[in-house]
Amino acid sequence: GIQVEQSPPDLILQEGANSTLRCNFSDSVNNLQWFHQNPWGQLINLFYIPSGTKQNGRLSATTVATERYSLLYISSSQTTDSGVYFCAVRFRGGADGLTFGKGTHLIIQP
Amino acid sequence: DGGITQSPKYLFRKEGQNVTLSCEQNLNHDAMYWYRQDPGQGLRLIYYSQIVNDFQKGDIAEGYSVSREKKESFPLTVTSAQKNPTAFYLCASSIHGLDSGNTIYFGEGSWLTVV
Repeated sequence: GIQVEQSPPDLILQEGANSTLRCNFSDSVNNLQWFHQNPWGQLINLFYIPSGTKQNGRLSATTVATERYSLLYISSSQTTDSGVYFCAVRFRGGADGLTFGKGTHLIIQP
Repeated sequence: DGGITQSPKYLFRKEGQNVTLSCEQNLNHDAMYWYRQDPGQGLRLIYYSQIVNDFQKGDIAEGYSVSREKKESFPLTVTSAQKNPTAFYLCASSIHGLDSGNTIYFGEGSWLTVV
């Protein structure tokens, strides 16, 4: 079936470390977004990236649409980066709305 | 300030009662969405609406109902037919729907607990 899989499910790092979060999707997409959910439940848009590479400060993302995966890079992690990171896609030809992965729970320790 | 407002933030409901969650946006967006999130899980789509007076079922619509009488409002009713309604509910909007590559924006969510 149509799926979005994220890995790893959990990640614990020390402050200052770098990390790579992965998102695999099962079919062609015309929309892919990365979100950060803070401890209060608020979802913050990080990137709209159905293909290519983007950077925003310490965060960057790359999507290789032909191979159906996307990567989110976090460099020089800070404790405020803690939370859950979600990848969400809209499959080409599918109904409106995004399909979410189960997320990567990131904990940055001081 | 422009944004999406959900209310109430926290809601307790007795079994067998219907409850309505409010979602209002002043972004002039055409499309609006309701998602449900269970602990440790991703979001699942309940209903969406791309235009006033029209809405479509998402992946888990059973036990829920919506209306879209005004562009800025998309209330969600959790009915007594929903078997396991305790969850975090998120409303979202996008300018014209997501097939043309528009981004989606979320409200702060509503926590519903059935007691």
